[in-house]
Amino acid sequence: EPEVTQTPSHQVTQMGQEVILRCVPISNHLYFYWYRQILGQKVEFLVSFYNNEISEKSEIFDDQFSVERPDGSNFTLKIRSTKLEDSAMYFCASSEPGQTEQFFGPGTRLTVL
Amino acid sequence: RKEVEQDPGPFNVPEGATVAFNCTYSNSASQSFFWYRQDCRKEPKLLMSVYSSGNEDGRFTAQLNRASQYISLLIRDSKLSDSATYLCVRISGTYKYIFGTGTRLKVLA
Repeated sequence: EPEVTQTPSHQVTQMGQEVILRCVPISNHLYFYWYRQILGQKVEFLVSFYNNEISEKSEIFDDQFSVERPDGSNFTLKIRSTKLEDSAMYFCASSEPGQTEQFFGPGTRLTVL
Repeated sequence: RKEVEQDPGPFNVPEGATVAFNCTYSNSASQSFFWYRQDCRKEPKLLMSVYSSGNEDGRFTAQLNRASQYISLLIRDSKLSDSATYLCVRISGTYKYIFGTGTRLKVLA
């Protein structure tokens, strides 16, 4: 069964450093998303992406965040200068055109020290 | 009122019991809802979509009550493997998911 994959599974970084989280969505999906979940809290929407541009973004997704689809398979989330409060689980998701069900990757746990 | 509100639980039930969760939402224009399941430190996994006419999948039944703005999930004949957090989701805008905080279920042997 096709699935969304994410790398790395765990990333530890120093405050102020840049990180790039990588995702490979399901191959025939065209809508891509990033969500985050701070430990003990709910899953929060960050950004949606379609046709090589951002469709929608949340208040959390400020100038420190960016997304990119550098090739036909990868979808990345970059945090330019990490803060302690960026520590969370980051989930990538994808969905088919015309379908509302989203399928989530296993997540990247980001720890900012 | 929170956009999507759930009782965090935990709901502790014996194996074989029937358990029901509710979720209330604040946006009456919402059209699409889902129940996802999340195991500890894992990704959300789609359990089922929720339709106005109700939706049943084996031991699981989901209902949507638009007049009262809530959705429900009923689990019959609970199994130990049903222990997880159940996330209520509504769609906002262009496929953006709004999650509830989740309801934690523990099925006890």
